Amino acid sequence: EVQLVQSAAEVKKPGDSLKISCKGSGYIFRNYWIAWVRQMPGKGLEWMGIIYPGDSDVKYSPSFQGRVTISADTSISTASLQWSSLKASDTGRYYCARSDGGWGDYWGQGTLVTVSS
Amino acid sequence: NFMLTQPHSVSESPGRTVTISCTGTSGSSASTFVQWYQQRPGSAPTILIYDDERRPSGVPDRFSASIDSSSNSASLTISGLQTEDEADYFCQSYDSNNRWVFGGGTKLTVL
Repeated sequence: EVQLVQSAAEVKKPGDSLKISCKGSGYIFRNYWIAWVRQMPGKGLEWMGIIYPGDSDVKYSPSFQGRVTISADTSISTASLQWSSLKASDTGRYYCARSDGGWGDYWGQGTLVTVSS
Repeated sequence: NFMLTQPHSVSESPGRTVTISCTGTSGSSASTFVQWYQQRPGSAPTILIYDDERRPSGVPDRFSASIDSSSNSASLTISGLQTEDEADYFCQSYDSNNRWVFGGGTKLTVL
């Protein structure tokens, strides 16, 4: 059974750094893209970027380029999303999704990130 | 930049049929296929339709989709509406560089 399990909710202050994770199981992790999607409170889905763990090819949305870093470690079948300096506007739920052809077939449960002073 | 526009909300009665539209705007990147996701309150999105009109196994055939190339639009149709269909629905497409874009989402209310 394919599963994507994301790390637990985080509460941070503005300026803090953060790394959240997404662990894949039930499939060959390196062979599928992992996308990251943000959902701000009460809002829609925003595509942030995507990584191919097999060769670490990463593509970012222009809206998130330079604000976040997407990485993957095939030895532990885990993709990560990190910030070096959080803002209050980064508050939201972040989903990872496995992708084989331009869409997400399996999704993680989401990680809620709250940034507040 | 390529964008997808959906109606903010639609409503219909149980047992009836509803259609949700998704219109693409022209931009620098050519879009490819359209997907549709369902997101129930408090849950992650799940795929309903991929590659314009294909249904993953397990998705009821009450859900169908189509493309109108002449108007650069896609539609999701849900027939035999059930109260459990009340959710947010998002269309999504991607360009030749595997960059995705989502529509703003449509809230379906089953009255």
